Amino acid sequence: SQTIHQWPATLVQPVGSPLSLECTVEGTSNPNLYWYRQAAGRGLQLLFYSVGIGQISSEVPQNLSASRPQDRQFILSSKKLLLSDSGFYLCSQRAYLTDTQYFGPGTRLTVL
Amino acid sequence: RKEVEQDPGPFNVPEGATVAFNCTYSNSASQSFFWYRQDCRKEPKLLMSVYSSGNEDGRFTAQLNRASQYISLLIRDSKLSDSATYLCVVTSESHDMRFGAGTRLTVKP
Repeated sequence: SQTIHQWPATLVQPVGSPLSLECTVEGTSNPNLYWYRQAAGRGLQLLFYSVGIGQISSEVPQNLSASRPQDRQFILSSKKLLLSDSGFYLCSQRAYLTDTQYFGPGTRLTVL
Repeated sequence: RKEVEQDPGPFNVPEGATVAFNCTYSNSASQSFFWYRQDCRKEPKLLMSVYSSGNEDGRFTAQLNRASQYISLLIRDSKLSDSATYLCVVTSESHDMRFGAGTRLTVKP
């Protein structure tokens, strides 16, 4: 079965600082990977998805970017954080046969 | 109109109660339907898929009504451990997975 790791678990950053969140997946190859953000009391918002190395699709224009340097690694970045970037960032992998998604433990980001 | 809408709750019920959640979706081309459970400050976890014929998993029953574009989740004999936020999820094309904002349930002794 697949395992999804995310780090850091929590992060407090000042406005204007850079960001790098990492997600790695075990137990599968060539996974479809996703980055979601969940603001306090809100639903999940799809930010990026990737179907393979170097392939990134953006769902929402914003100051975030994503990269997939290796098959099982997905990175979310920002050059300058905004207050509105605060939230719970979740990495997920889609299971092909069942169309379900499995989530990592998430990173809770607070921008001050 | 939101693509996936849920009653945010909160639903406060006593142990042993039966509680039902509804979720409506706007895209008639939606193909797959799920209920996820999210505990406080944790990631969502798949509770169950929802099939056209309806499906049951222990105390949980999910129903899909394509004509009216809604899905439901019924929890019987509520336990304290059922306290969580329940997310309705609808997928259309392969990467188009839409989440509801969730319905919060608190089961009290």
